[in-house]
Amino acid sequence: GAGVSQSPSNKVTEKGKDVELRCDPISGHTALYWYRQSLGQGLEFLIYFQGNSAPDKSGLPSDRFSAERTGGSVSTLTIQRTQQEDSAVYLCASTPLGGWGDTQYFGPGTRLTVL
Amino acid sequence: GENVEQHPSTLSVQEGDSAVIKCTYSDSASNYFPWYKQELGKGPQLIIDIRSNVGEKKDQRIAVTLNKTAKHFSLHITETQPEDSAVYFCAASRSNTGFQKLVFGTGTRLLVSP
Repeated sequence: GAGVSQSPSNKVTEKGKDVELRCDPISGHTALYWYRQSLGQGLEFLIYFQGNSAPDKSGLPSDRFSAERTGGSVSTLTIQRTQQEDSAVYLCASTPLGGWGDTQYFGPGTRLTVL
Repeated sequence: GENVEQHPSTLSVQEGDSAVIKCTYSDSASNYFPWYKQELGKGPQLIIDIRSNVGEKKDQRIAVTLNKTAKHFSLHITETQPEDSAVYFCAASRSNTGFQKLVFGTGTRLLVSP
């Protein structure tokens, strides 16, 4: 079946603009995660969704970052007033149930470049 | 909070050699340790994982070992092949967070030369 998809694959924006990144999880997966991967770094947890609610959003770096999930499926990560330090690859992952031992299935990511 | 350190950052081997990547973690409550492989332009893919109730797990040419006392775990790849070339990430999580909040290492770029 189809895996996790993300769009756009690349996004170039100017400093101060808002951007929206989209994640389509595997059908039926209830849990969804967002990560940020900066150049040469590991993946940094941003937020976790169980269904449409976000029990843990502790990784969001500032109030310019927000995310929502609708219908227990598609999620959107929004970055307002982008800064150059926001440049990174943003990865989304989903799991069937969201439990501790679930395998996280990752999408290909969105590469964001802020000029 | 949890901190995961990974070494080396780059590793070059000849085809057929073995490769070992090591990670240490700081939170003694961590009990799930997956390894991910990330190829260029793709998202990470789980290749093997281990839980704290076992010390070693093997899957064909790949094995992971865990030393809870020393708080470190390692990925072993035997008989390496050019298609093993990728970036490998280790991660750790603890079950009492209610979900799988992974903390990742900074990655190891493995290059296997023919």
